[in-house]
Amino acid sequence: GENVEQHPSTLSVQEGDSAVIKCTYSDSASNYFPWYKQELGKGPQLIIDIRSNVGEKKDQRIAVTLNKTAKHFSLHITETQPEDSAVYFCAASWAGDYKLSFGAGTTVTVRA
Amino acid sequence: DAGITQSPRYKITETGRQVTLMCHQTWSHSYMFWYRQDLGHGLRLIYYSAAADITDKGEVPDGYVVSRSKTENFPLTLESATRSQTSVYFCASSERSSGSYEQYFGPGTRLTVT
Repeated sequence: GENVEQHPSTLSVQEGDSAVIKCTYSDSASNYFPWYKQELGKGPQLIIDIRSNVGEKKDQRIAVTLNKTAKHFSLHITETQPEDSAVYFCAASWAGDYKLSFGAGTTVTVRA
Repeated sequence: DAGITQSPRYKITETGRQVTLMCHQTWSHSYMFWYRQDLGHGLRLIYYSAAADITDKGEVPDGYVVSRSKTENFPLTLESATRSQTSVYFCASSERSSGSYEQYFGPGTRLTVT
């Protein structure tokens, strides 16, 4: 099955700086890569996703990049704000399969 | 718009007891999922369902049983709870529409097995 590795496990950044989280996947058939944000005491929520036919996708301060050859994808958060503090999960799947394989998560802390 | 709800939110049970975690969604989504979340492991899929009366195993199904007699409900039963099943359990639902694969998660159930 698919194996997704996520780094770093914790990330502390100064407010206004950028944060980058990286993930690698093992199954070359995977073609759907979502990112979920989990706030304290809540369930994860989708913040952005990318398909394998796209190399980069942006949504305001959030961007995701994908390198299919190297089988890795990254989440970039610019101009971080205190409300960006949360646990972020990457995931991978084949779009024809609803099952997601998640990374272990990254705890992001934005220092004021 | 209630969305997806889970009950109970917190549960303490003893080793060997049977416990059922409930999940209810109001969107009539076809797909429903059960995950467990443990530190260092992220979210691991326990079981999923593609429709009423259709269920299948995920990555870590041992010790768990599911059923789906109605589209909106997807209960998860621990037949004989063990300490290793202490975890936070999340239910999620999804529907493929306009090419979206988003899974919508409930608020979670924190289960402690003593």
